[in-house]
Order: sequence, then C-alpha cells, then structure tokens
Amino acid sequence: DGGITQSPKYLFRKEGQNVTLSCEQNLNHDAMYWYRQDPGQGLRLIYYSQIVNDFQKGDIAEGYSVSREKKESFPLTVTSAQKNPTAFYLCASGPGQGPFFGQGTRLTVV
Amino acid sequence: AQSVTQLGSHVSVSEGALVLLRCNYSSSVPPYLFWYVQYPNQGLQLLLKYTTGATLVKGINGFEAEFKKSETSFHLTKPSAHMSDAAEYFCAVSGSGGGADGLTFGKGTHLIIQP
Repeated sequence: DGGITQSPKYLFRKEGQNVTLSCEQNLNHDAMYWYRQDPGQGLRLIYYSQIVNDFQKGDIAEGYSVSREKKESFPLTVTSAQKNPTAFYLCASGPGQGPFFGQGTRLTVV
Repeated sequence: AQSVTQLGSHVSVSEGALVLLRCNYSSSVPPYLFWYVQYPNQGLQLLLKYTTGATLVKGINGFEAEFKKSETSFHLTKPSAHMSDAAEYFCAVSGSGGGADGLTFGKGTHLIIQP
C-alpha cells in the first residue's frame, strides 16, 4: 500500500545526544515536510523539501537538520543544540493542496 | 504572513447534536484552507479542503465547511455528532506558495462527544 512510514513510533534519548528520525514515502511525491507538535500548540513547520538535494528552513529550524538524497526519504536529525526536543514529530509529503501525514514519532529526551 | 485562530481549545457536544468548530484566518494572498482530524497518537487525516470554486466544501465522515471571504472564516460543521467523531481537529491555511512551502496550523480544537 502507498503511504508514509515514520520510524520508530517511540524514541527515548539522553540529553545531549543527536537522534535521527526516519521518514519514507512511496507515493512518488516531490515535496516532503517535517512538523513538530506540542500539546496545545498545533503543528509548526521545521523543514521542507520540494525536490531532491534541496530543502528550506521552516519556522522553527534551529537545532534541527535534514537531508534529501532520495525522493523517497527525508530524515530529520534532532541535534543537541535543540533546547527542548521532547515532542511529537510528524512527517508529511505531497501536494500543497492537502499533504498526507505519517503516523508520527514521539521523542522523549531524558 | 498567514495565521489561523481556532476558537475554543475544547468543544463538547451531545451525541446527535450539531458540531460547529470555528476557524478564522489571515492571509495576504488568496488562501487554500484545510481541516484535518487527529486521533490520539496518530498522524493527521485530511477531512476537507477549499482551493478554488464552490465555497461550500463537503468532506469525509459527513463534515462540511464554508469559506466566507468577507468574514475570513472557514468553520467546520456536522449535522449530527457521533461518538467516533471525538478527536482533535486542526484548521490550516496555505502560504504564498499555495501550500508548497508548508501549511500554517491553528492550535487545534479537542472535540468531546457526550453520550
């Protein structure tokens, strides 16, 4: 089935460690997005990519990095510079007229 | 820049009653508008969207929304609530790129259905 796969679903890391969240899609979409969700805050855009080997910062890119080496994949690295990394991270792909979302990764930093 | 305001972080209705979730937006360009639904610990599912054309938009699960440019609103309605409608609902608006550069989301409304 076509869709967006995020892994892992739950992730625990110690403070100060970098961690990479996986996002893979088989929908043949050019555009991919990463959002962060905090309780009561809605979704905020971290990074997006409209084509392979190109990506742009969103509203809250500080402390995060991404790569887009393949059309299907858009991994997100949460670095030690991110001051408050505990959150629910959502990957999306597809047309601006209604992107499709993955099931999310809940990251907890202890 | 664009922004979205969802009135009411929590809305409670009785099963069978009308559901009304409010969304107001601001945008410097003609907007594309969206409603998404999220169940606990899951991703977002598109309920409906307005891009161009008819201002009354019908979506999945019996939901509909009306784009009112003069009121900068895009309220979501359903005539009769069902227990399965209990979830978090997000309104979103596109930017100048028609959504290609991402969407701006409201803070969400938690819909509670009373039996």
